[in-house]
Amino acid sequence: EAQVTQNPRYLITVTGKKLTVTCSQNMNHEYMSWYRQDPGLGLRQIYYSMNVEVTDKGDVPEGYKVSRKEKRNFPLILESPSPNQTSLYFCASSSSLAGSYEQYFGPGTRLTVT
Amino acid sequence: LAKTTQPISMDSYEGQEVNITCSHNNIATNDYITWYQQFPSQGPRFIIQGYKTKVTNEVASLFIPADRKSSTLSLPRVSLSDTAVYYCLVGDTSPTSYGGSQGNLIFGKGTKLSVKP
Repeated sequence: EAQVTQNPRYLITVTGKKLTVTCSQNMNHEYMSWYRQDPGLGLRQIYYSMNVEVTDKGDVPEGYKVSRKEKRNFPLILESPSPNQTSLYFCASSSSLAGSYEQYFGPGTRLTVT
Repeated sequence: LAKTTQPISMDSYEGQEVNITCSHNNIATNDYITWYQQFPSQGPRFIIQGYKTKVTNEVASLFIPADRKSSTLSLPRVSLSDTAVYYCLVGDTSPTSYGGSQGNLIFGKGTKLSVKP
């Protein structure tokens, strides 16, 4: 089954404790992206990757890091989480962005930073 | 970057046709317009995409005027299960040094559609 998986689905952590949220897709997609969703603000893009070893900042990259060492995986790293990073995070992938934006989204990771 | 503006919320009744309009004044020549549906605690789901004029699939229709500065998602005969948030998405596809398209995608804040019996 074609899908995007995220782990963990729920995470409660404390300020400053490094964490990684994993994202994996099995569709051989080139494009992957991370979003955060907050009440009243909709979906905001954090980082995206056009292909392996190619990443770039979205609209809200501060406090986050990503890497794309292989095509299927795109982990999101929070080196020193803070309470303002408490949010619902979604990973997405797409086969191509040449004028087409049909993205497949993961189930989401709800992060709470205390 | 193309920003989008949508109504915050809309109400409808079962069986009615619902039209949600999205404004995107700065849309680029190569941009497509894409709509997503999101249920609570789930990731967004692709509904429909178009470049100009009209596109129709089994779920919805998308109307795009000639100037492409807005688009309208049309949901025919809605049911209670269509209660969700609908997002309009326009992306920046200007070429980069990679030879491909930029991937910075801007979602609007979404329109919360409530369908009542």
